[in-house]
Amino acid sequence: KNQVEQSPQSLIILEGKNCTLQCNYTVSPFSNLRWYKQDTGRGPVSLTIMTFSENTKSNGRYTATLDADTKQSSLHITASQLSDSASYICVVWGTGTASKLTFGTGTRLQVTL
Amino acid sequence: DTEVTQTPKHLVMGMTNKKSLKCEQHMGHRAMYWYKQKAKKPPELMFVYSYEKLSINESVPSRFSPECPNSSLLNLHLHALQPEDSALYLCASSQVGGGRPETQYFGPGTRLLVL
Repeated sequence: KNQVEQSPQSLIILEGKNCTLQCNYTVSPFSNLRWYKQDTGRGPVSLTIMTFSENTKSNGRYTATLDADTKQSSLHITASQLSDSASYICVVWGTGTASKLTFGTGTRLQVTL
Repeated sequence: DTEVTQTPKHLVMGMTNKKSLKCEQHMGHRAMYWYKQKAKKPPELMFVYSYEKLSINESVPSRFSPECPNSSLLNLHLHALQPEDSALYLCASSQVGGGRPETQYFGPGTRLLVL
């Protein structure tokens, strides 16, 4: 069964600190992996898309990594800001029989003073 | 314009009502999606339209009826809903893939409450 698991479920960090969110997937065959940020009551906003051949991709203070061999991805947030408080969702797109988006359950990040 | 708009923002309806959710984008995207999202859960795909034709229906009950009148608009017609249908309904759009991953742009959602 194609699954995407994220950890931790929730995280509280102080403003200015770094953090790393994890995503493990079993989707196969694999096409690409996406990280989205979703503010409460709002639609998700795309942060990065990574294909099989990409190991690292950055978008400002967000850096995503992908290890397609171990089927793991991480999202690293540098110098966190209060506005980073949101849910971060890992989404995997498969190919062939797995050709659909499989959403992770998300990590709820809270950045505090 | 990289915006997907959805109306209304909030909707309260009874189980016997008929209502419609609307979604609009002007990015020239030819793929449009409806998702349902319950609190603290990830979005669940409901329907996908590609070139204004329904390409995916994820076994959604018939009380939800999608419509794509043109390449910029996507509607979701609601009839005889149940309280458990209360959720955030998200619309998204993207270019149609061609072997390349395409970013989905999400609207802000319509928060639906069924009484």
